[in-house]
Amino acid sequence: EIVLTQSPGTLSLSPGERATLSCRASQSVSSSYLAWYQQKPGQAPRLLIYGASSRATGIPDRFSGSGSGTDFTLTISRLDPEDFAVYYCQQYGSSPYSFGQGTKLEIK
Amino acid sequence: EVQLLESGGGLVQPGGSLRLSCAASGFTFSSYAMSWVRQAPGKGLEWVSLNSGSGGNTYYADSVKGRFTISRDNSKNTLYLQMNSLRAEDTAVYYCAKMQGRGVLGYMDVWGKGTTVTVSS
Repeated sequence: EIVLTQSPGTLSLSPGERATLSCRASQSVSSSYLAWYQQKPGQAPRLLIYGASSRATGIPDRFSGSGSGTDFTLTISRLDPEDFAVYYCQQYGSSPYSFGQGTKLEIK
Repeated sequence: EVQLLESGGGLVQPGGSLRLSCAASGFTFSSYAMSWVRQAPGKGLEWVSLNSGSGGNTYYADSVKGRFTISRDNSKNTLYLQMNSLRAEDTAVYYCAKMQGRGVLGYMDVWGKGTTVTVSS
């Protein structure tokens, strides 16, 4: 089973700043089958990034993903007030399709 | 418009059973693998189970293996999750999600709004 560890647990930033979220896997994620999701309170998760670096339909270009193997990063170049939420990474290269524990991005 | 609508949640006693449904619309249901994902109160996301488009391949998290059964009726565009021997730790919002990618190797591109399951005496 691949365990995903996200850091930091909570990130406090101001609108307009750059956010860098990390996701580390306990073993290599095959073919970069790594996705990122955003979840706001009371809502279902929303797909942001798939294949480690491909933006989902309708996702603003301030969101970008990078990485391979065991280390992956989600970057939000300039934070918009609507970006403050919880972010999860997930690997879908092998069952069980594990999620990270999440990073809460909060307004400073 | 692609839509997923879960139903069937509720309050059940420990050891009881419940069947969740997920009605799909706006896409060719039989062409896509589908997953169930749950979220306990105040906690993160946990993948529960996956079913291939044909229904022939299924996968489960260790935490539910032997107790939960995923299935689908492609003629009704509906995904199911039969949950038996329920425990307090199964209390969660259960989401169904459409998977996009290479068969069962897919990311979850569309999510339902979820249905709440509470296991308590």
